[in-house]
Amino acid sequence: SQQGEEDPQALSIQEGENATMNCSYKTSINNLQWYRQNSGRGLVHLILIRSNEREKHSGRLRVTLDTSKKSSSLLITASRAADTASYFCASYSGGSNYKLTFGKGTLLTVNP
Amino acid sequence: DTAVSQTPKYLVTQMGNDKSIKCEQNLGHDTMYWYKQDSKKFLKIMFSYNNKELIINETVPNRFSPKSPDKAHLNLHINSLELGDSAVYFCASSLLSGPTNEKLFFGSGTQLSVL
Repeated sequence: SQQGEEDPQALSIQEGENATMNCSYKTSINNLQWYRQNSGRGLVHLILIRSNEREKHSGRLRVTLDTSKKSSSLLITASRAADTASYFCASYSGGSNYKLTFGKGTLLTVNP
Repeated sequence: DTAVSQTPKYLVTQMGNDKSIKCEQNLGHDTMYWYKQDSKKFLKIMFSYNNKELIINETVPNRFSPKSPDKAHLNLHINSLELGDSAVYFCASSLLSGPTNEKLFFGSGTQLSVL
């Protein structure tokens, strides 16, 4: 079963615009993570936010976490064509710290 | 140096054959995983191992047999391949920090095509 659900499924924007992706999850978490997957490649970890944090920044990335709503958002500012990829949220589910469960992902296309 | 490497990158085979995918990590991590990504990009965990011990077996058919000879290696052997096994298989590893695993490092994937 999925722990995270991303929204929207696909997002197309122009270079320079901001992109926001949302993730909802079902069970309590220790941390929530975001990954990027370029076409034909493996997933790359972007950022991890712990359950006691509300916001975290890394370069052009900003992640928020609302544990009361069981949701998180990933904001990419000043997007570039190279940001074109699928983005996944993930969290450890079912009380297991060995089962990182991924959402279905958001396909972001940044048009030059 | 590649942190998590898996081979082969592409695997094309006939139904009914047996094949293996190898994975090695040089990060000194305690935990390794196999994930399957289907054509819709849905990523599903198959197995996780911690220090060579099987921790998670996510209702995978017993045609799939993982083997961890040491904590740096986790191989996946698949018997009697079926059409539905066609997918991209990813190996990953993570460091156990206290009771919690942290971020995963992924290999570049093995695209398996069963004809």
